[in-house]
Amino acid sequence: TQLLEQSPQFLSIQEGENLTVYCNSSSVFSSLQWYRQEPGEGPVLLVTVVTGGEVKKLKRLTFQFGDARKDSSLHITAAQPGDTGLYLCAGPPTGGFQKLVFGTGTRLLVSP
Amino acid sequence: DAMVIQNPRYQVTQFGKPVTLSCSQTLNHNVMYWYQQKSSQAPKLLFHYYDKDFNNEADTPDNFQSRRPNTSFCFLDIRSPGLGDAAMYLCATSRDLGLAREQYFGPGTRLTVT
Repeated sequence: TQLLEQSPQFLSIQEGENLTVYCNSSSVFSSLQWYRQEPGEGPVLLVTVVTGGEVKKLKRLTFQFGDARKDSSLHITAAQPGDTGLYLCAGPPTGGFQKLVFGTGTRLLVSP
Repeated sequence: DAMVIQNPRYQVTQFGKPVTLSCSQTLNHNVMYWYQQKSSQAPKLLFHYYDKDFNNEADTPDNFQSRRPNTSFCFLDIRSPGLGDAAMYLCATSRDLGLAREQYFGPGTRLTVT
């Protein structure tokens, strides 16, 4: 079974601080996705990374896929209260057809 | 805008009283999923449809059933809800193209069991 472990589980920071969330596995994934879920809403896809070593930027968010495609990170610069939510990484398991393996999740709270 | 819609957003049912949650999509995706999510945890896949083919997860209780009458609609039936079934239920869709299997989620239905 392919697992995705996220760290930290919970992060509480002040507005303006920087942070990094990690998503790690012992297995290779063909791609990884990051979702953000705001309280009371469904997850929203932020980005998909598919190439080892790939870096993608989405405004203040920077996503990186590890060279070996076993890990990914999400870095947020100058966090804002609107960044508050549950961040989930996810990837298609080998032979899992249409399914995704979801990470354990990181809950981020950004206070004004 | 193309989207995934879930109704109702909030549902209260009594212990043991059957309940149906609905999901519709305008994305014309051929794969539809139902997830259960409990507080701050990752979504747990219950089952999914690939077109009309139903795929149940091994650990999904028999109490949970699903129907997909056409491409656009999918229903989650909970035959005899227990207190432990109180959760957020998420519907998602995906195209069966490429390897990424990106999923598009609805806003969810929060189920309360009294």
